[in-house]
Amino acid sequence: GAGVSQTPSNKVTEKGKYVELRCDPISGHTALYWYRQSLGQGPEFLIYFQGTGAADDSGLPNDRFFAVRPEGSVSTLKIQRTERGDSAVYLCASSRDREDEQYFGPGTRLTVT
Amino acid sequence: GQQVMQIPQYQHVQEGEDFTTYCNSSTTLSNIQWYKQRPGGHPVFLIQLVKSGEVKKQKRLTFQFGEAKKNSSLHITATQTTDVGTYFCRVRRDSNYQLIWGAGTKLIIKP
Repeated sequence: GAGVSQTPSNKVTEKGKYVELRCDPISGHTALYWYRQSLGQGPEFLIYFQGTGAADDSGLPNDRFFAVRPEGSVSTLKIQRTERGDSAVYLCASSRDREDEQYFGPGTRLTVT
Repeated sequence: GQQVMQIPQYQHVQEGEDFTTYCNSSTTLSNIQWYKQRPGGHPVFLIQLVKSGEVKKQKRLTFQFGEAKKNSSLHITATQTTDVGTYFCRVRRDSNYQLIWGAGTKLIIKP
């Protein structure tokens, strides 16, 4: 079956602009995670959804970052007033439930110029 | 502060030599997962450990969860070029159920 997909694969934006990153999880997976990863680092947890609700958003760095999952499937990560420090690969992962193995998407490489 | 320490950061080995990475926590863990990320790729799940002292094997890979459930190791016997990549541990803390990833250990095969 289809894996986790993320769009776009690459996004270049200017400092101060707004961006949206999309994640399409594996069908039937109730848990969805957003991470960001900088070169040479491990994934940095941002937010976790169980169904439609954000069960844990403690990893969001500040209020410029927001994520939604309105129908419990596709999720969108929204970043306002982007800064150069936001440049990273944004990874999405889904799992059947909270404790199960996570399946990662290919990521979106965000570059803020 | 750093709550999960993964060591070493890099390990250079000759093909055929063994490789080990360690994941150490200052607090008790409810479970630990190990992932592998190839260069340019995304993390791929390898195994989950839940029980104290648990040992699991996958071909040349051996995974161990410490008796105190504060540390874990991944050992690869007789490395091959296909083993190249970064190995991450992902832990869930007992106290607050917080999810934390280690910084990874990069396995490099010497030419």
